[in-house]
Amino acid sequence: DTEVTQTPKHLVMGMTNKKSLKCEQHMGHRAMYWYKQKAKKPPELMFVYSYEKLSINESVPSRFSPECPNSSLLNLHLHALQPEDSALYLCASSLGGRRFGNSPLHFGNGTRLTVT
Amino acid sequence: GNSVTQMEGPVTLSEEAFLTINCTYTATGYPSLFWYVQYPGEGLQLLLKATKADDKGSNKGFEATYRKETTSFHLEKGSVQVSDSAVYFCALSENQGGSEKLVFGKGTKLTVNP
Repeated sequence: DTEVTQTPKHLVMGMTNKKSLKCEQHMGHRAMYWYKQKAKKPPELMFVYSYEKLSINESVPSRFSPECPNSSLLNLHLHALQPEDSALYLCASSLGGRRFGNSPLHFGNGTRLTVT
Repeated sequence: GNSVTQMEGPVTLSEEAFLTINCTYTATGYPSLFWYVQYPGEGLQLLLKATKADDKGSNKGFEATYRKETTSFHLEKGSVQVSDSAVYFCALSENQGGSEKLVFGKGTKLTVNP
């Protein structure tokens, strides 16, 4: 069982819908990540939060909006997506902080998103 | 920038065969190196890691040694099982402002037949 929980597991949405992906961890990790994974490809980094502040945005389109309400939760708000945004969206967390440099990431099982 | 090159599959083996998946990296500094595994329908799981030269990571019969002189981190297992069928990703880690940026290889799909 993964220690990073993502909901929902599957999501189908139209191009005019607004939806949110949720991620939760209770390992005391202070860095949280959103990745996008297309079929047969490695994950691509989208956003990183470090101590609840956005620290990395990999030039992601504004139709994806991340939010970190507290140290255990991470959301990804979706609006006006395109069919090419269909993918597996993975959340991950790590210890975070320079003191724990190069600590491994713990991934959730992802949300399979289909945009119609 | 930093990069990871790994052997592209797919790799198909019979049960109890020996496995090697090659991985080489290009990096400034001394990154940590990881192997992640992704089973069908799941997220990525950390398989093993090494944080400095000559470190050997091991888990579930898999091993990889951090070789600075050849910039490699090859994954090996002496006797694979059907349950090892998955996609394997080699990755290096860059610490940026207190968070980890993973650079992944393209992944290698392994199928083990009974």
